[in-house]
Amino acid sequence: ETGVTQTPRHLVMGMTNKKSLKCEQHLGHNAMYWYKQSAKKPLELMFVYNFKEQTENNSVPSRFSPECPNSSHLFLHLHTLQPEDSALYLCASSQDFPETRETQYFGPGTRLLVL
Amino acid sequence: TQLLEQSPQFLSIQEGENLTVYCNSSSVFSSLQWYRQEPGEGPVLLVTVVTGGEVKKLKRLTFQFGDARKDSSLHITAAQPGDTGLYLCAGEELASGTYKYIFGTGTRLKVLA
Repeated sequence: ETGVTQTPRHLVMGMTNKKSLKCEQHLGHNAMYWYKQSAKKPLELMFVYNFKEQTENNSVPSRFSPECPNSSHLFLHLHTLQPEDSALYLCASSQDFPETRETQYFGPGTRLLVL
Repeated sequence: TQLLEQSPQFLSIQEGENLTVYCNSSSVFSSLQWYRQEPGEGPVLLVTVVTGGEVKKLKRLTFQFGDARKDSSLHITAAQPGDTGLYLCAGEELASGTYKYIFGTGTRLKVLA
């Protein structure tokens, strides 16, 4: 148990669907992250929130829309995705950002398949 | 953005064998982390190395940070099936005034009983 939970664990959606991924951390951390993990590619940082404010957006297409209502919850809203968006989406949290040598705690991920 | 290459990409060995996984970059990192990711789970931090030449041990795992802080290695002694997983290195870089971790390409290890 890492203290970071993600739902759903698996998701299959069509290109015209709208869905949301949810992440919750029970560690009292202030920073939360969304990563994309594709086959044969390094883990890619998508978004960072620190104290509910978005501090990083690594040129992510607008069909991915993050939301952070409080320091414990993070959402990733998905709309009109493409098949190449199929991947494992990982949520992580850390005490603060961008302090050095932060330990990030990852959730189990949501395996997304876009048809 | 710096690139971290890990080698080998895949490794399948018998229980009891030793192995070394490498993480290389052409640039310097202020610190480097190693993670293990098991199927169906997120990465779990194993160790953070900070000083050039630093060696850290975690039971049968030995981690070394290169003298120039551009590379790192992970050595596993007497591998066990429980060591199976994806091993990721992540280098810390300072970019645009903030610190971020850049993840490597990963080494997928399978230890056969």
